[in-house]
Amino acid sequence: EIVLTQSPGTLSLSPGERATLSCRASQSVTNSFLSWYQQKPGQAPRLLIYGAASRATGIPDRFSGSGSGTDFTLTISRLEPEDFAVYYCQQYGSSPQTFGQGTKVEIK
Amino acid sequence: QVQLVQSGAEVKEPGASVKVSCKASGYTFTTYGVTWVRQAPGQGLEWMGWISPYNGNTNYAQKFQGRVSMTTDTSTSTAYMELRSLRSDDTAIYYCARRIFFDYWGQGTLVTVAS
Repeated sequence: EIVLTQSPGTLSLSPGERATLSCRASQSVTNSFLSWYQQKPGQAPRLLIYGAASRATGIPDRFSGSGSGTDFTLTISRLEPEDFAVYYCQQYGSSPQTFGQGTKVEIK
Repeated sequence: QVQLVQSGAEVKEPGASVKVSCKASGYTFTTYGVTWVRQAPGQGLEWMGWISPYNGNTNYAQKFQGRVSMTTDTSTSTAYMELRSLRSDDTAIYYCARRIFFDYWGQGTLVTVAS
């Protein structure tokens, strides 16, 4: 199975700053079938990005995804107060689908 | 609007079974697959498997093979996930989600396994 490793584990930033989250796969992700989710405490995850770079419906354009092969990045251009949360990457190109362990973006 | 509404919290004893439902609305149920994901307390997300409401095809994570069954009832647009031989480490929130990348999620169902 494909192992996804997210880094850093925790990112401490201030509102207005840029956040760069990494997701590295143990082998190439087929067709760049990689998505990113945001999860806040007590809530279900929310889809942000699919296909490595396509924003989901209703997602602000400060969120962007990039990458291919084994290296993927989620960028939040300017952090808003509501963006502080845990972020997960997920690959759906191979079975079993797998998730990264998550990156927590916290207020500095 | 698309909604996935799950059944309520469950408390089960070790060795028992649990069946969680996920009722879909706002779209044609047979168009998209339904995936089940779980999250243990304070932990990350774990993919359990997928079912096609169109033809009933399933794909289960090896970890749950033989212990899980995913079914659908197209007459009520409802998906079901049954997990048998429950253990304490099955305590988790169980989510259903639409499509192979999860554009809509249910609200989650807390399953607690304790004696």
